[in-house]
Amino acid sequence: AAGVIQSPRHLIKEKRETATLKCYPIPRHDTVYWYQQGPGQDPQFLISFYEKMQSDKGSIPDRFSAQQFSDYHSELNMSSLELGDSALYFCASSSSSGRVREQYFGPGTRLTVT
Amino acid sequence: QKEVEQNSGPLSVPEGAIASLNCTYSDRGSQSFFWYRQYSGKSPELIMFIYSNGDKEDGRFTAQLNKASQYVSLLIRDSQPSDSATYLCAAGGYSTLTFGKGTMLLVSP
Repeated sequence: AAGVIQSPRHLIKEKRETATLKCYPIPRHDTVYWYQQGPGQDPQFLISFYEKMQSDKGSIPDRFSAQQFSDYHSELNMSSLELGDSALYFCASSSSSGRVREQYFGPGTRLTVT
Repeated sequence: QKEVEQNSGPLSVPEGAIASLNCTYSDRGSQSFFWYRQYSGKSPELIMFIYSNGDKEDGRFTAQLNKASQYVSLLIRDSQPSDSATYLCAAGGYSTLTFGKGTMLLVSP
């Protein structure tokens, strides 16, 4: 079965640079979520989109923005990168049909800021 | 503030034993509960979800939910060394999930 696709898988940036992470949800999934996971931490919810509209906002810094496009893929844009932004960034997707919106995670993008 | 609490472990069990993982949550509005398995450096993998009080079984896994006690558990029967991982409990409504910090499970051969 098709899974969530994320690119790139690894990214190295310098402080104050900009990064763009991409996420392609499972086919027919209409909701995308972004999470940040630091070493030894649980995933922290950043933001989500349903049908191309922002649906929920978590602990996303103002330096970050995201959007969902007409083909349902999503991009997380990160500017003025800081050392503390080094983490694993996961995208998850779910379908709004059905009682439970179980989220399926992509493989993640490991961002290293030097 | 919504919180999900888990014992960080590690929980050590011998191969073939039953591993019992527990989780409590603070938000009574949470409607669905999820167990994810995460290997180091990898993404969380959904094992099971449950939304009704009682037990739900899937293969070697059984999830249990007690909404009155705000308690969720995961039982893993016939534990295998490949089950060694961090198990994340998550609670959610229609959208966002709140994760616990995870319990590390170690299954020794």
